[in-house]
Amino acid sequence: DGGITQSPKYLFRKEGQNVTLSCEQNLNHDAMYWYRQDPGQGLRLIYYSQIVNDFQKGDIAEGYSVSREKKESFPLTVTSAQKNPTAFYLCASSIPLGLAGEADTQYFGPGTRLTVL
Amino acid sequence: AQTVTQSQPEMSVQEAETVTLSCTYDTSENNYYLFWYKQPPSRQMILVIRQEAYKQQNATENRFSVNFQKAAKSFSLKISDSQLGDTAMYFCAMEYGNKLVFGAGTILRVKS
Repeated sequence: DGGITQSPKYLFRKEGQNVTLSCEQNLNHDAMYWYRQDPGQGLRLIYYSQIVNDFQKGDIAEGYSVSREKKESFPLTVTSAQKNPTAFYLCASSIPLGLAGEADTQYFGPGTRLTVL
Repeated sequence: AQTVTQSQPEMSVQEAETVTLSCTYDTSENNYYLFWYKQPPSRQMILVIRQEAYKQQNATENRFSVNFQKAAKSFSLKISDSQLGDTAMYFCAMEYGNKLVFGAGTILRVKS
């Protein structure tokens, strides 16, 4: 069964702690993305990676960090520097535009709900 | 900067009827892609339909179709024969440079 998995589904963090959200895909996609979703708003891009060992900042990267050591995995760390981390986090993956000759459609995981206590 | 605007925060429709969700966008690019995603209460983002800007023909997927007006930068979604399972938040998105820009979403409620 091909797909994207995110864990945990719910995560609670105390103020001042770093936490890491997991994202794994077995779709053989090169590109992976992290988005944040707040109530009443659309998704906002945090970080993205088009290839292993390379990643780029999105629109709201401050207070977050990522790594891309394996094609299948793109973990997101929410650091203590993130002022308001309570949100729903979505991971996505895609074949980069141009490689497949078709639209760069992103497919999403089920998400992680992070709450700061 | 690329922006996507969904001007209808909430809409409702009777089961079996047709509803249209609006989306406008702004870009200086000539080649881009547009998408509609559905987010039901489970919060899983599901691709509904996509449109390549260079194609004049409107995309269709079963009961879902789009009205793509490139000059007007408009990309509306029409849902025919609405079903209770269509109740969800719908997001319009534009792709450029391997990144997606999302609108704020429209909550659609299908009533029996």
